[in-house]
Amino acid sequence: SQTIHQWPATLVQPVGSPLSLECTVEGTSNPNLYWYRQAAGRGLQLLFYSVGIGQISSEVPQNLSASRPQDRQFILSSKKLLLSDSGFYLCAWTKTFSTDTQYFGPGTRLTVL
Amino acid sequence: AQTVTQSQPEMSVQEAETVTLSCTYDTSESDYYLFWYKQPPSRQMILVIRQEAYKQQNATENRFSVNFQKAAKSFSLKISDSQLGDAAMYFCAYRYSGSARQLTFGSGTQLTVLP
Repeated sequence: SQTIHQWPATLVQPVGSPLSLECTVEGTSNPNLYWYRQAAGRGLQLLFYSVGIGQISSEVPQNLSASRPQDRQFILSSKKLLLSDSGFYLCAWTKTFSTDTQYFGPGTRLTVL
Repeated sequence: AQTVTQSQPEMSVQEAETVTLSCTYDTSESDYYLFWYKQPPSRQMILVIRQEAYKQQNATENRFSVNFQKAAKSFSLKISDSQLGDAAMYFCAYRYSGSARQLTFGSGTQLTVLP
């Protein structure tokens, strides 16, 4: 069966510091991968998605970037965090282009102070 | 652009009773998927139920069922025999079948189950 992991689970970082969040999927190959952000009490906002290694699509201009160095690894990064980057970050995957259901990881809670 | 609207920010239901959560959406596409996700306090998003737009039959999963009205662009979730563990934020979501893009989410409905 497929499993999706995210780490760290919780992170507290000062403003201006770098960020690296990691997401990995097990039990499948060539997944589509997604990064979402959820502000407190709000819905989900798509940040990036990837249909293959090195292929990243950005949905919202911002202080963040994403990379996919391996087939089942998706990384969210920032060179300098802003207060507004605080939130809950969720990674998700789908099996193939045409598969409809997205499955989510456990998430990372980021607080920028 | 597709939009998903959940007009009930909060709902409550007595344990063992039935509750219906509303969702409407706007799209010009004919082939798409609709979903209900549950987000408990742990904040992990859990798929509750999904509906393919080409299917007229409403999806069901145990105590969860939907009322899919394609012409009206309505997709409500009915929870029967509500349990304390059903308490969570519920999100309605849309995805066009011809794209690898993201789900479009509604703003969510916070469901409280009263003992």
